[in-house]
Amino acid sequence: SQQGEEDPQALSIQEGENATMNCSYKTSINNLQWYRQNSGRGLVHLILIRSNEREKHSGRLRVTLDTSKKSSSLLITASRAADTASYFCATDADTGFQKLVFGTGTRLLVSP
Amino acid sequence: DVKVTQSSRYLVKRTGEKVFLECVQDMDHENMFWYRQDPGLGLRLIYFSYDVKMKEKGDIPEGYSVSREKKERFSLILESASTNQTSMYLCASSLYGSGNTIYFGEGSWLTVV
Repeated sequence: SQQGEEDPQALSIQEGENATMNCSYKTSINNLQWYRQNSGRGLVHLILIRSNEREKHSGRLRVTLDTSKKSSSLLITASRAADTASYFCATDADTGFQKLVFGTGTRLLVSP
Repeated sequence: DVKVTQSSRYLVKRTGEKVFLECVQDMDHENMFWYRQDPGLGLRLIYFSYDVKMKEKGDIPEGYSVSREKKERFSLILESASTNQTSMYLCASSLYGSGNTIYFGEGSWLTVV
């Protein structure tokens, strides 16, 4: 079952600009994670935000979580060409098994 | 450095063949997962395992089985490959319990002809 829906599906920006991606989900969650995937490769964990947190930072990444709206956003500041990738949100409904449900992803293209 | 290794990066198999996708992790993780990834559908969970010899169905287990005889190894088996199983398959592992990072392998591209 698809839990997360990312928006937009694709985003094209210039280097130095900020990139914002949104994720909406349907059921209550324990935490939400963001992952990055370079073309044709595996996923790499970026950041985790728990249901009792509202905002989290890691380097140039800022994640917010609004459990009342069942949504999260990922902001990448001062983007670089190397940030070009697909970004996925994944929700954990706390079944005890770490069973993440992934969205369909946002494809980010950062042009030099 | 943590590592999840998938044995085959690219495979081409014929319809009806039995296919084995192997995955090994070196982090002593309890949880292991198999996902498939298709354009427009994101990642979908096929099976996961939280301990040796234990397995749980994910969202799309039909046509697949798994084996976990050792903690570090989790195999995905396509009993009789079909063309609609052409996809990218991703193995992953994590510590047991919620809120842990999931580590992914590089993926196996399977084409069934």
